Amino acid sequence: GAVVSQHPSRVICKSGTSVKIECRSLDFQATTMFWYRQFPKQSLMLMATSNEGSKATYEQGVEKDKFLINHASLTLSTLTVTSAHPEDSSFYICSARSRVGQSGGIHFGNGTRLTVT
Amino acid sequence: AQSVTQLDSQVPVFEEAPVELRCNYSSSVSVYLFWYVQYPNQGLQLLLKYLSGSTLVKGINGFEAEFNKSQTSFHLRKPSVHISDTAEYFCAVRGETSGSRLTFGEGTQLTVNP
Repeated sequence: GAVVSQHPSRVICKSGTSVKIECRSLDFQATTMFWYRQFPKQSLMLMATSNEGSKATYEQGVEKDKFLINHASLTLSTLTVTSAHPEDSSFYICSARSRVGQSGGIHFGNGTRLTVT
Repeated sequence: AQSVTQLDSQVPVFEEAPVELRCNYSSSVSVYLFWYVQYPNQGLQLLLKYLSGSTLVKGINGFEAEFNKSQTSFHLRKPSVHISDTAEYFCAVRGETSGSRLTFGEGTQLTVNP
């Protein structure tokens, strides 16, 4: 089955530094990737949608300058949290939509636990 | 636009008991429906999905769900749960049109007790 690899699974960084999270589709081409944020005991909140080769579409209230998304190829999207602060600590999850089976072909990564100290 | 309501935030049950996790949705267009499971500190794993056809959908780990269009519901059921089913369960919906996004419910924490 389709596999989405997200790396790193956990990261701890100091306030003011930047952190990059990678999301790779291992065995399929993903024209669209989605980035979610999940607070403890809550649902997933869509942050942005990225399409290969074009700018990401951010949801209302998400700072595009703080959460930089790049979707440079059909198998890789990255989320960079710039100048991270403790309130950015959260669980970030990516998902990718495969070309084939558009009706249900959305696959999730295993998430990244970000802790900003 | 779509919305999803999971009626129970927490469902405690005993091992080998049946369980039903409720999900209702609203949408102005035809939709696809999904149930995902999330274990602690992990991503989401697809349990099952309804795209079309038979309204009773069978998924992995012995789960099944029934799409009821008139009641706009997609409840998840399992006749006999195991300790290992303890997890967070999310119902999700997306429109049939290309480019529609997934909308998630708030989640239901299923806790299976011995």
